[in-house]
Amino acid sequence: QLHLQELGPGPVKPSETLSLICTVSGGSISTSSYYWGWIRQPPGKGLEWIGSIYYSGNTDYNPSLKSRVTISVETSKTQFSLKLSSVTAADTAVYYCTRHGAAYGGIDYWGQGTLVTVSS
Amino acid sequence: DIQMTQSPSSLSASEGDRVTITCRASQSISNYLNWYQQKPGKAPKFLIFAASSLQSGVPSRFSGSGSGTDFTLTISSLQPEDFATYFCQQSYSTPYSFGQGTKLEIK
Repeated sequence: QLHLQELGPGPVKPSETLSLICTVSGGSISTSSYYWGWIRQPPGKGLEWIGSIYYSGNTDYNPSLKSRVTISVETSKTQFSLKLSSVTAADTAVYYCTRHGAAYGGIDYWGQGTLVTVSS
Repeated sequence: DIQMTQSPSSLSASEGDRVTITCRASQSISNYLNWYQQKPGKAPKFLIFAASSLQSGVPSRFSGSGSGTDFTLTISSLQPEDFATYFCQQSYSTPYSFGQGTKLEIK
């Protein structure tokens, strides 16, 4: 059974960089059938797609965040990561790491989510 | 970007009821439409992909239909565990986008 787990440092100060790692267990990250990505959900609000990465390293980002986002993958460690720079309070959210199919894009696996609070 | 609009935003129903949630895309997305269920404090759960295909392990009381711009999620007979928030998502083109959610509450 595939399992995704987000790891992060906790609170982040405004203007700093948010960094999260997703560890994948129970399966390979180097598969041609899936993309790996990040989605966030501000408290009490809806879901926002941040971006995705293929095991080869090809990335696709939400244009609304593209200038601040970097997603990378370390296949040897079965991990992928998210960096979001110049954060503000508007970036406070639960961040989920995810897997979605290359064919239809449905998100079939989600991490449990980690709340990242941006506060001074 | 493709905008997804769900209706209603909230819905009260009783156990055993049949309920339908609607999702509309701002442009045609063929059948690249997925549905999720989310309970408080939990990650969303994948229910339906390609508008009408049930994800493995999802009860058959859930069904989806539609293509183009208009889609529906139907729960044929509500069970206590179905009271949650439901989201649609288009995967036709990036940036992938979600509906704002429909909160299904107990009447």
